[in-house]
Amino acid sequence: QITLKESGPTLVKPTQTLTLTCTFSGFSLDTRGVGVGWIRQPPGEALEWLALIWWDHDYRFSPSLKSRLTITKDTSKNQVVLTMTNMDPVDTATYYCAHSPDTSGYYDFWGQGTLVTVSS
Amino acid sequence: SYELTQPPSVSVSPGQTASITCSGDKLGESFAFWYQQKPGQSPVLVIYQDTKRPSEIPERFSGSNSGNTATLTISGTQAMDEADYYCQAWDTRTGVFGGGTKLTVL
Repeated sequence: QITLKESGPTLVKPTQTLTLTCTFSGFSLDTRGVGVGWIRQPPGEALEWLALIWWDHDYRFSPSLKSRLTITKDTSKNQVVLTMTNMDPVDTATYYCAHSPDTSGYYDFWGQGTLVTVSS
Repeated sequence: SYELTQPPSVSVSPGQTASITCSGDKLGESFAFWYQQKPGQSPVLVIYQDTKRPSEIPERFSGSNSGNTATLTISGTQAMDEADYYCQAWDTRTGVFGGGTKLTVL
C-alpha cells in the first residue's frame, strides 16, 4: 500500500525559503522508473505542476519556477525534500507530493496535501 | 511555455455522456492523463497513458488522444462524478496541467 504525506511549515513570511518534506511508504525510490513529484494548488484555483525527481536522481522543474526550486531524495529515509526560495503571497497554496510509477510521468498516488500560507 | 486548454465547465444530465476536452499543440504525440478532484480532497487518477483506467476506476470512464486534443468521456454519468477534472501531459522536459473543468451533473 503506497502512502505519501507532506510536512512543513503552515506559515512562512515573504522572502523566506520554504522547505517541504514528503515521507512515503510502500515503494522504493531506488526502483527503476519510479518518481516522486510535487504539485500545488492555490485556494480555488487549478493544479500546478512543480517538480519531479526520478529513481536515478534525474529531475525536472517547472520552467517558470526553476530558478527557485530544489528537489532532493533520501532513499534511506523514504523522503523527498522540495525547497522554494523567495516566497511570495502568490505562493500560498496546498502543496501535494505524489508517486509516479513509470517514466511516462503521471501520478497514481497522492498525499493529503499541506496548506502553506505566505504572509507577514 | 506549453499550455493545455480545458473548458471551464461542462454540464450533463444523469445517465448521459459527458465529454471533457484538453487541447495542446501536438498533444496526441505524447501521453495524456486525467485526474478527478472533489472538494477538499486530493486528486485521483482516472485515466493514464491516454486510454488506460486504474483498476478501481469504473468502466464508464474512458479516454482518447489524437491530434491536438485529448478527451475524457464519462458514459452514464452519475451524481458522484460531479467534480473538477484536470488533464496532464509532458512537454519535452516538464509536466503541465490543464486549467481544469468543473463537471456539473444536473
